[in-house]
Amino acid sequence: DAKTTQPPSMDCAEGRAANLPCNHSTISGNEYVYWYRQIHSQGPQYIIHGLKNNETNEMASLIITEDRKSSTLILPHATLRDTAVYYCIVRVARTGGTSYGKLTFGQGTILTVHP
Amino acid sequence: DAGVIQSPRHEVTEMGQEVTLRCKPISGHDYLFWYRQTMMRGLELLIYFNNNVPIDDSGMPEDRFSAKMPNASFSTLKIQPSEPRDSAVYFCASSSTRDRWGNEQFFGPGTRLTVL
Repeated sequence: DAKTTQPPSMDCAEGRAANLPCNHSTISGNEYVYWYRQIHSQGPQYIIHGLKNNETNEMASLIITEDRKSSTLILPHATLRDTAVYYCIVRVARTGGTSYGKLTFGQGTILTVHP
Repeated sequence: DAGVIQSPRHEVTEMGQEVTLRCKPISGHDYLFWYRQTMMRGLELLIYFNNNVPIDDSGMPEDRFSAKMPNASFSTLKIQPSEPRDSAVYFCASSSTRDRWGNEQFFGPGTRLTVL
């Protein structure tokens, strides 16, 4: 799987948008960009994933650059409950058996949302 | 659905003792994963199963660790004998190749293991 690079920490004011960057310059054509987060003392939680188009769901938006070498996770209106470690992961998706794409977690970005 | 269930939530044991961690995946999921999380090494994949069959155990640290999945609704991770360096939070996760999200993994709450 391609490696990712994320800033170790970021701050955001409550109610403002949180924009979390991720670099994945070695991503290959069949690899998706996944975002997970881990709130303190809980298991990681899936947020969103995408291949090359921008994606949006009820939790966040994912913007992937045209060359796919970087992406940004956007939490449009951050709340205190969004304080967590955010992981950007690149992997092959939706395959079976021995070619299944594993999740390889890096250090992630610690996002702190302030009142 | 109750999500992925792990037990116990906390385990304190003495070095040399056998430890068994348990996991019940989400019903209908055909993949099951065991992860370990420590401050030093972060979140590491230990082993995963597909349809109850171990697919990749390359992350298992050594022979003291073993994992089984006797049926689709139950898996165990056993450490025998346990050592203080095994102290960590152990997560179980499951996923389905049939889900619309594209193999999203659902994590359990974890078991915090302390080996004295």
